[in-house]
Amino acid sequence: KAGVTQTPRYLIKTRGQQVTLSCSPISGHRSVSWYQQTPGQGLQFLFEYFSETQRNKGNFPGRFSGRQFSNSRSEMNVSTLELGDSALYLCASSLDGGERNTIYFGEGSWLTVV
Amino acid sequence: AQKVTQAQTEISVVEKEDVTLDCVYETRDTTYYLFWYKQPPSGELVFLIRRNSFDEQNEISGRYSWNFQKSTSSFNFTITASQVVDSAVYFCALGSTNAGKSTFGDGTTLTVKP
Repeated sequence: KAGVTQTPRYLIKTRGQQVTLSCSPISGHRSVSWYQQTPGQGLQFLFEYFSETQRNKGNFPGRFSGRQFSNSRSEMNVSTLELGDSALYLCASSLDGGERNTIYFGEGSWLTVV
Repeated sequence: AQKVTQAQTEISVVEKEDVTLDCVYETRDTTYYLFWYKQPPSGELVFLIRRNSFDEQNEISGRYSWNFQKSTSSFNFTITASQVVDSAVYFCALGSTNAGKSTFGDGTTLTVKP
């Protein structure tokens, strides 16, 4: 069974630009979460989507947004990129995000903002 | 608020040594879930184990074992006879009512030298 797939794996953007990252969850999984990982802040929860609705949100500015499609695939967008947005962005999926689920991660998208 | 503390930032051992990674958590929830993930240099967080708060039975899987002690809010991970391939960053995580919004520790970087 295919795991969580994230694209692109690596990208470089310029400050002020915007970026869109894509995530395809494990087949049958309906909950998709996004995390940001940086050396200084560790793994931080961005948001979670279930049935095309944002169900939970972390403490990130409005420049960070996401959406989920009817096939459970998800995208996250970061607008007006700042140098501090350079990070590994990890997508995770689970059956329905409920308390009895385990979340499985993709390989992540490495974003560098210059 | 939930919190996960991995006090050991870095550990270095020689191959075949046993090593224990510590994890202490804080939560007010009566039902919660604890996880360990391994992150190799490629970036993907690999799920290792999940433990429910109502099940304090320790678990062994090959060279890996986990010691869950609710009384001390700890969920420690031991690798027996470590190997070079065990070198990675290990994360302990805490999930409650929504597994998609798990709280992660800062990770422990394990280096196993030949």
